[in-house]
Amino acid sequence: EAEVAQSPRYKITEKSQAVAFWCDPISGHATLYWYRQILGQGPELLVQFQDESVVDDSQLPKDRFSAERLKGVDSTLKIQPAELGDSAMYLCASSLASGASTEAFFGQGTRLTVV
Amino acid sequence: AQTVTQSQPEMSVQEAETVTLSCTYDTSESNYYLFWYKQPPSRQMILVIRQEAYKQQNATENRFSVNFQKAAKSFSLKISDSQLGDTAMYFCAFMNNAGNMLTFGGGTRLMVKP
Repeated sequence: EAEVAQSPRYKITEKSQAVAFWCDPISGHATLYWYRQILGQGPELLVQFQDESVVDDSQLPKDRFSAERLKGVDSTLKIQPAELGDSAMYLCASSLASGASTEAFFGQGTRLTVV
Repeated sequence: AQTVTQSQPEMSVQEAETVTLSCTYDTSESNYYLFWYKQPPSRQMILVIRQEAYKQQNATENRFSVNFQKAAKSFSLKISDSQLGDTAMYFCAFMNNAGNMLTFGGGTRLMVKP
């Protein structure tokens, strides 16, 4: 069964360092989401791509976060510099198209700890 | 902007019993989509059930059903014959008609007790 792949699963970094997360969506899925989930809370949308274009990044802290999906397939989310408050689970999800009837499939996430 | 509120941080239910999780949302749109997602401990989020706002009939998926009250902007999830494997975080989510802005509530932690 096809899955959304994320790496690494766990990352520990020191504050002020740069960190990057990678996501490979299910093949053929045009829509890709990045979410941040603080422990015990619901996921918060950071950025949504439709193919290689950003559909919504209104909640992305652009002074330190960046996201790209250059070829409209896999995607990278970067934080530079990392802050203690960035410690969270970062989830990637994909769906077949930007249609509300399509299901979003989630990866297992990358758990980031900033020390 | 849409908001989704889940007022029950934690709930518990005995195995084989029925439990209802609450969700309310706020939107100015007339057409939209609502979802319940399940996140088991240390596992990825999976879709449980979805509801199109233009459909009056409540969605059902096996032991899972919803009570969708559009005027009240309420979308509750009923789990019948609860099983130990239903133990998880449950998230209510909203998506606009354009298929954007999949917005989640804060979640309800459900524990099914043997």
